Amino acid sequence: DGGITQSPKYLFRKEGQNVTLSCEQNLNHDAMYWYRQDPGQGLRLIYYSQIVNDFQKGDIAEGYSVSREKKESFPLTVTSAQKNPTAFYLCASSPGAGTVSSGASVLTFGAGSRLTVL
Amino acid sequence: AQSVAQPEDQVNVAEGNPLTVKCTYSVSGNPYLFWYVQYPNRGLQFLLKYITGDNLVKGSYGFEAEFNKSQTSFHLKKPSALVSDSALYFCAVRALGGGGFKTIFGAGTRLFVKA
Repeated sequence: DGGITQSPKYLFRKEGQNVTLSCEQNLNHDAMYWYRQDPGQGLRLIYYSQIVNDFQKGDIAEGYSVSREKKESFPLTVTSAQKNPTAFYLCASSPGAGTVSSGASVLTFGAGSRLTVL
Repeated sequence: AQSVAQPEDQVNVAEGNPLTVKCTYSVSGNPYLFWYVQYPNRGLQFLLKYITGDNLVKGSYGFEAEFNKSQTSFHLKKPSALVSDSALYFCAVRALGGGGFKTIFGAGTRLFVKA
């Protein structure tokens, strides 16, 4: 079945450590996104990528980094510079990139990764 | 700036009664509007979208939404609520950013349907 796989589902980190969250999709989607979800704040965009080897900062990119070396993969690294990293992280993808029709594209989400800083 | 507002943190409704979850938006140009639903500890699932055409859009699980351009609203509705509809609902808009389209979400509205 086509979909998005996020791993790990749960992750615990000590302060000062970097951690990387994995996101893999087999939907042949061009665009991929990372969101952070906190209670009462909805989803906030961290980074997004419309094409391989290119990505853009979202609204809360500070303390995070990404790469897009393959179409299928968009890993997110939470660095020690992120002051409040405990949250639920969601990866998503959508077809099309940069065309007018991509405005109508529906996002497909992974099941999420819950990061807790100890 | 593009934005989405969901004025209610929580909506309570009795099973069998109609439900409405409110959403207003602010975008430049024509809006691409969406509703998604999230069940506990899961990702979001698509319900319906408005791109153009009829103002009343029908989606999954019996949900529908009404686009009102003059009021810049896109309220989610269902004629008869089910207990299983209890979840977190997000309104969203697709907006063109520097790197292509991105989706902007509202803060979410938690729906409780009581038996």
